[in-house]
Amino acid sequence: KAGVTQTPRYLIKTRGQQVTLSCSPISGHRSVSWYQQTPGQGLQFLFEYFSETQRNKGNFPGRFSGRQFSNSRSEMNVSTLELGDSALYLCASSLRVSQETQYFGPGTRLLVL
Amino acid sequence: DQQVKQNSPSLSVQEGRISILNCDYTNSMFDYFLWYKKYPAEGPTFLISISSIKDKNEDGRFTVFLNKSAKHLSLHIVPSQPGDSAVYFCAALSFGNEKLTFGTGTRLTIIP
Repeated sequence: KAGVTQTPRYLIKTRGQQVTLSCSPISGHRSVSWYQQTPGQGLQFLFEYFSETQRNKGNFPGRFSGRQFSNSRSEMNVSTLELGDSALYLCASSLRVSQETQYFGPGTRLLVL
Repeated sequence: DQQVKQNSPSLSVQEGRISILNCDYTNSMFDYFLWYKKYPAEGPTFLISISSIKDKNEDGRFTVFLNKSAKHLSLHIVPSQPGDSAVYFCAALSFGNEKLTFGTGTRLTIIP
């Protein structure tokens, strides 16, 4: 069974631009969560989607948004990029809205210049 | 406010010895704890978990201990192997909230 895939793997943007990241969960998984990883903050939860609905949201500004499609694929969008948005963005999938066992993708490394 | 803390950013252990990774939390509502292992350029991999109704869970070389009164958990790896070199994250959640809170990670280096 294929694992969680994320595209693109690397991305360079400039301040003020917007970016869309994509995540395809493991087949049959309906829950997708997004995380931001930075050296100083570790892994921080962004939001979780299940059945095309946002179920949980972390403490990130409204510039961070997401959505989930009927095939469970999810996208995350960051608008008006700031230098501090440079990070590794990870998505994780699970069968249900339960985070006891999550399967993570390889991540998208975003660099904002 | 860091609710889950891993105060040691790095740890070096001789191969064959015991590795002990520590994690402290402040939120008494947490009732499930997990450890993840992360290699460079890969996503975290689930390692082992423990429910708050237990104080120990063992899986092969990995054992997690939970001390609720001290709000402290630890991961023991014995014997340590070179392949254990990675960054280890502890995470916690409270049922009903369904939001994982992660620590900042500890980089474990196993010295051959």
